[in-house]
Amino acid sequence: QKEVEQNSGPLSVPEGAIASLNCTYSDRGSQSFFWYRQYSGKSPELIMFIYSNGDKEDGRFTAQLNKASQYVSLLIRDSQPSDSATYLCAVATPGAQKLVFGQGTRLTINP
Amino acid sequence: DVKVTQSSRYLVKRTGEKVFLECVQDMDHENMFWYRQDPGLGLRLIYFSYDVKMKEKGDIPEGYSVSREKKERFSLILESASTNQTSMYLCASSLRRGYTFGSGTRLTVV
Repeated sequence: QKEVEQNSGPLSVPEGAIASLNCTYSDRGSQSFFWYRQYSGKSPELIMFIYSNGDKEDGRFTAQLNKASQYVSLLIRDSQPSDSATYLCAVATPGAQKLVFGQGTRLTINP
Repeated sequence: DVKVTQSSRYLVKRTGEKVFLECVQDMDHENMFWYRQDPGLGLRLIYFSYDVKMKEKGDIPEGYSVSREKKERFSLILESASTNQTSMYLCASSLRRGYTFGSGTRLTVV
């Protein structure tokens, strides 16, 4: 079992709809969770992080964490074509000084 | 904002050459990382460093070495470049956990 798993997609969502991206992780002791967006040919950029169970909202983005289910998700409301990118989930485990990344989900927003 | 600068955006090298990829960060971050990213394989950690002169192997260190003589600079060295090292190389730095990535170096070995 991979440490951090994401559906590779592609995930296709119509413009204006909600895009839902999911990530599961295997280490129950994981404490910090990150979502990165990566446009084709560019480097990843951090868009959200979450440490506590529940929801965290930032503009059109909402990160959701459920530690009991070892599940973290990213919702993008009012999806725009500019949201088309690969989204990487990353997890930090206690004592580790490095993040573990999922393979990424490729998201396409259709006008 | 933290800035992580990679010296080259595109690089073409010949097989057998020794290649240096440089990375500099400007925010006094303790941890620095080198990844490579290939289609279908995701981000793979090559080496990381949590202090000056300290280094730790990542998941795929073979064929690579690193140097961290100053806190702000972390260099990746390909001792003898091979075609299977053609890839996008990404440097990142962090203070605690969240990374900031450089813009990447696309290396082609011919």
